[in-house]
Amino acid sequence: SQKIEQNSEALNIQEGKTATLTCNYTNYSPAYLQWYRQDPGRGPVFLLLIRENEKEKRKERLKVTFDTTLKQSLFHITASQPADSATYLCVATYGNKLVFGAGTILRVKS
Amino acid sequence: DVKVTQSSRYLVKRTGEKVFLECVQDMDHENMFWYRQDPGLGLRLIYFSYDVKMKEKGDIPEGYSVSREKKERFSLILESASTNQTSMYLCASSPQGSYNEQFFGPGTRLTVL
Repeated sequence: SQKIEQNSEALNIQEGKTATLTCNYTNYSPAYLQWYRQDPGRGPVFLLLIRENEKEKRKERLKVTFDTTLKQSLFHITASQPADSATYLCVATYGNKLVFGAGTILRVKS
Repeated sequence: DVKVTQSSRYLVKRTGEKVFLECVQDMDHENMFWYRQDPGLGLRLIYFSYDVKMKEKGDIPEGYSVSREKKERFSLILESASTNQTSMYLCASSPQGSYNEQFFGPGTRLTVL
């Protein structure tokens, strides 16, 4: 079965720096990769989607990449702020099935 | 402001009780989903529905059932709650033709004693 792996260790960075979160998938390349943000005690909120044939997608301070050779997606937040502190979920779409990663906690310190 | 709402934020029930979790969306979405989220694990799909009265099993349907009598409302039922069903339950919706870009509710933290 397909699996999505994200760093289980929290990522701690200084305000103003670029945060980079990693998502690795096993076996087959998904048709889409999505990133969601989840705050404590809340439901996830959709941020970005990238298609298999796209290399990179941007939205404001966010950037996501899709590397089918490395079987990896990177999620970047530039000029990070304390308000960006949250858990970020990577989600792969295989047909009509979504596979969720467990998420990586990001902490941005001022 | 579009939204998905869930009937309770916190719920405490006893083993063997029948539990109803309700979800309502105001976006006229065809697809609705129920997930559970446990520490260290990704969200796992319990059931989803692509239309009124239609339902499909997800990855972990055992011990659960669902009901969708109206387009905007999707209910999750625990027929006889057990302690291993203690979890965060999340409802989501998406428009017809796509399971991507789902809109999630705030979640219900269920504790079964």
